[in-house]
Amino acid sequence: SQQGEEDPQALSIQEGENATMNCSYKTSINNLQWYRQNSGRGLVHLILIRSNEREKHSGRLRVTLDTSKKSSSLLITASRAADTASYFCATDEGYIPTFGRGTSLIVHP
Amino acid sequence: DAGVIQSPRHEVTEMGQEVTLRCKPISGHNSLFWYRQTMMRGLELLIYFNNNVPIDDSGMPEDRFSAKMPNASFSTLKIQPSEPRDSAVYFCASNSGGANYGYTFGSGTRLTVV
Repeated sequence: SQQGEEDPQALSIQEGENATMNCSYKTSINNLQWYRQNSGRGLVHLILIRSNEREKHSGRLRVTLDTSKKSSSLLITASRAADTASYFCATDEGYIPTFGRGTSLIVHP
Repeated sequence: DAGVIQSPRHEVTEMGQEVTLRCKPISGHNSLFWYRQTMMRGLELLIYFNNNVPIDDSGMPEDRFSAKMPNASFSTLKIQPSEPRDSAVYFCASNSGGANYGYTFGSGTRLTVV
């Protein structure tokens, strides 16, 4: 079974709006990663947040981690049509990243 | 670096045939992963190599699947005989430095078994 589960499964917004995706996981982790997958392509690493970090930024991306709630969120600010993709969280089970089923984000121009 | 290179990009084969998928990881990366992605099951880890040695193959569905990594720059995933339920996108990913670093994925091989 997946360690991380993303929510919502699908998200549809207008360009310029913010998009927030959530990830919940079951067991303790050392780090949590977020990936993007464009249709027909491989996954692209976006950001890694360690268990002792609470927030991390990268450009228009903001990731938070709440280890007490075993959850993380990915915020994309000022979304663009090019942000349309599926977004996955991955948690480490020892040395192996385990992925959720992803959130499908559609940004309408 | 050209990234993780997988071949072929698409493969259509008949049930019962042997299929070989290929992966070239990023030079210097010492960990290599094979994943399978389907709508029903999402991304599943099949096997993980570290320094060319298989560490965890518990995700390999059955004996029809085998994977090798003869050297640091090449890995294969073989399915023999193939079945329609093997149809999926197969991804290879590599990494250097263990679980505290991001993983680089290839573009995948879309396998269709008819």
